Amino acid sequence: NAGVTQTPKFQVLKTGQSMTLQCAQDMNHEYMSWYRQDPGMGLRLIHYSVGAGITDQGEVPNGYNVSRSTTEDFPLRLLSAAPSQTSVYFCASSTTGDNEQFFGPGTRLTVL
Amino acid sequence: SQQGEEDPQALSIQEGENATMNCSYKTSINNLQWYRQNSGRGLVHLILIRSNEREKHSGRLRVTLDTSKKSSSLLITASRAADTASYFCAVGGKGNKLTFGGGTRVLVKP
Repeated sequence: NAGVTQTPKFQVLKTGQSMTLQCAQDMNHEYMSWYRQDPGMGLRLIHYSVGAGITDQGEVPNGYNVSRSTTEDFPLRLLSAAPSQTSVYFCASSTTGDNEQFFGPGTRLTVL
Repeated sequence: SQQGEEDPQALSIQEGENATMNCSYKTSINNLQWYRQNSGRGLVHLILIRSNEREKHSGRLRVTLDTSKKSSSLLITASRAADTASYFCAVGGKGNKLTFGGGTRVLVKP
C-alpha cells in the first residue's frame, strides 16, 4: 500500500494563478481532509469529505475548492492564489473524521 | 473551539531523560490523539485515548486523560535523539473532525 500520496511536493505560484493539489489514498478510507500548516503552528482544517460526492467546509475554507468524485481522490483547488496561502498543505485519510488520521507527505506552496 | 493547546511550546532534554508535554481543551470530546511530526514531514499517529479511558501505553509512550480537568499529557520515557520532533495533540469531538493544537517542539540532545 502506498498510503496517502500528494503531488506536487513543491510549487511556486504567482499571485492570481490557479492550481490543483492532488491527493490520493489506497486504503479505501471514506474520510479525507485537507489541512494547512503555517510556520511554527498546528494544522488547520480547510475542507473535508465523508465519502464520494460529499464535501464540507472546515475552519479556513476561503479561497479553496474541493470535490470528491471517487473514494480514492480528493483534489484541492486554489482558485486565485494569494500570498496568504503560502503554507504547507497536508492531505489525510481515515475511516472516520475523529479516528486515527493517515497523512500524506505534504505540498510546500509559495505564492509570490 | 475545542482546540487542544500544548504546553510547553518547546522542550530541550538530554538523551535518556523523560519528556512530558500537556494538552488542554475546552469542550467535551470523544477522544484525544497524539501525533509526531519530524521536520518537513507529514504527521504520524502515535496514540488515541477515548474519553472513557484514563491512561494508555504504547512502547515508551504513556498518555493520560483527565476529562474533569479537560487535559491530557504525553510522557516519553528514556528519550532518544530520534524522538526529536514536534508533538501535536488533536481533539476528536462533535462534527466528525479533529482539531489540532499548536504543538510542542522537543529537542533531545545526545
